[in-house]
Amino acid sequence: AQTVTQSQPEMSVQEAETVTLSCTYDTSESDYYLFWYKQPPSRQMILVIRQEAYKQQNATENRFSVNFQKAAKSFSLKISDSQLGDAAMYFCAYFNNNDMRFGAGTRLTVKP
Amino acid sequence: GAVVSQHPSRVICKSGTSVKIECRSLDFQATTMFWYRQFPKQSLMLMATSNEGSKATYEQGVEKDKFLINHASLTLSTLTVASAHPEDSSFYICSARDVQKRSNQPQHFGDGTRLSIL
Repeated sequence: AQTVTQSQPEMSVQEAETVTLSCTYDTSESDYYLFWYKQPPSRQMILVIRQEAYKQQNATENRFSVNFQKAAKSFSLKISDSQLGDAAMYFCAYFNNNDMRFGAGTRLTVKP
Repeated sequence: GAVVSQHPSRVICKSGTSVKIECRSLDFQATTMFWYRQFPKQSLMLMATSNEGSKATYEQGVEKDKFLINHASLTLSTLTVASAHPEDSSFYICSARDVQKRSNQPQHFGDGTRLSIL
């Protein structure tokens, strides 16, 4: 079974600084998708960024970018110029063939 | 964009009550919907996969007789927590897969239901 590991239960960053959240996963598949979701206190699941495994280029969305290392099965999220509104739980997710699995999550605190 | 509506958003009821949660895809057809459970400060755990017109597929350890899933149409799946007890209190989230895959997301999430059993 596919597993997703987020080894940082909590992270903290100063406003305007950069923070990187780690994620590793285990799979025997070659074609899959990886996601980072943000879950604020409202508990909504908000898609932050997505990466297709067949693409070598790292995905970017404004202040959010990933470092996708397929051989190492690593998928970290970098948040640049952190804002107070970035504070939330962040979940890394693996998706393949109708099956989505989530990591345990990282709680990000942004200090003003 | 695609929207999934989950209702109700909050339920508080007495032990022994059966609770029904609805998950609707508003502007797309969803042959497959998913039900997740999330305990405080924990991740989303998949409970079951709901397939339109057929029986749901439950994850290991999830009681089929306790968590009844019905997916009678391409836009609606329901989760009924039968005879709920305090240990069933949790946050339940549904998601739906767009058959046409028009979005960059494989699943669209509802806003969740907070269930509290007294």
